[in-house]
Amino acid sequence: DARVTQTPRHKVTEMGQEVTMRCQPILGHNTVFWYRQTMMQGLELLAYFRNRAPLDDSGMPKDRFSAEMPDATLATLKIQPSEPRDSAVYFCASAPGLGEEKLFFGSGTQLSVL
Amino acid sequence: AQSVAQPEDQVNVAEGNPLTVKCTYSVSGNPYLFWYVQYPNRGLQFLLKYITGDNLVKGSYGFEAEFNKSQTSFHLKKPSALVSDSALYFCAVRDPRWVTGGGNKLTFGTGTQLKVEL
Repeated sequence: DARVTQTPRHKVTEMGQEVTMRCQPILGHNTVFWYRQTMMQGLELLAYFRNRAPLDDSGMPKDRFSAEMPDATLATLKIQPSEPRDSAVYFCASAPGLGEEKLFFGSGTQLSVL
Repeated sequence: AQSVAQPEDQVNVAEGNPLTVKCTYSVSGNPYLFWYVQYPNRGLQFLLKYITGDNLVKGSYGFEAEFNKSQTSFHLKKPSALVSDSALYFCAVRDPRWVTGGGNKLTFGTGTQLKVEL
């Protein structure tokens, strides 16, 4: 049963530290999304990749966040330096692309910045 | 910009009763609408979508949604609720700017917590 894999599931860190979250999209999917979920803001789109190229990262704070796809099997989201307001659940999702509207979500990374 | 609104933070239903979770949308052009469900400590799961065609769309786990263009609504429904349906439900709309490019960038609503009790 194909699924999107995210690591780590939980991360607790101190303010100022670097955080790296990883995502393995479903094999063959060429679009990858990063979403952030908080109680206050709900689900926010941070970044969107197709064929490893960033198509839209307008929702991502550029000064501290960065998203990359080093290869087709790995997407990363980094926060440096982290701040308490970054505490949230970060979801990765993938889709086959070419008009497929169904997104497949990972189980998320629960980030707590103290 | 496109958006969806879910006016109810929580909906409570007795098991066996019909349920409705409301969603209204705002988008220029033809709407592409979706419902996703989130169980505790899990990612979102696709339930159903409306692209074109019949206004009543059937999806997973016995859920269906009714598209109403005049009321700009896309309410999620189920004839008989189960305790296992208790979860967080999200309505979403696809950004029409990405349609021609084959993209699927979604804007989600704030979510409605469904609680089904015995």
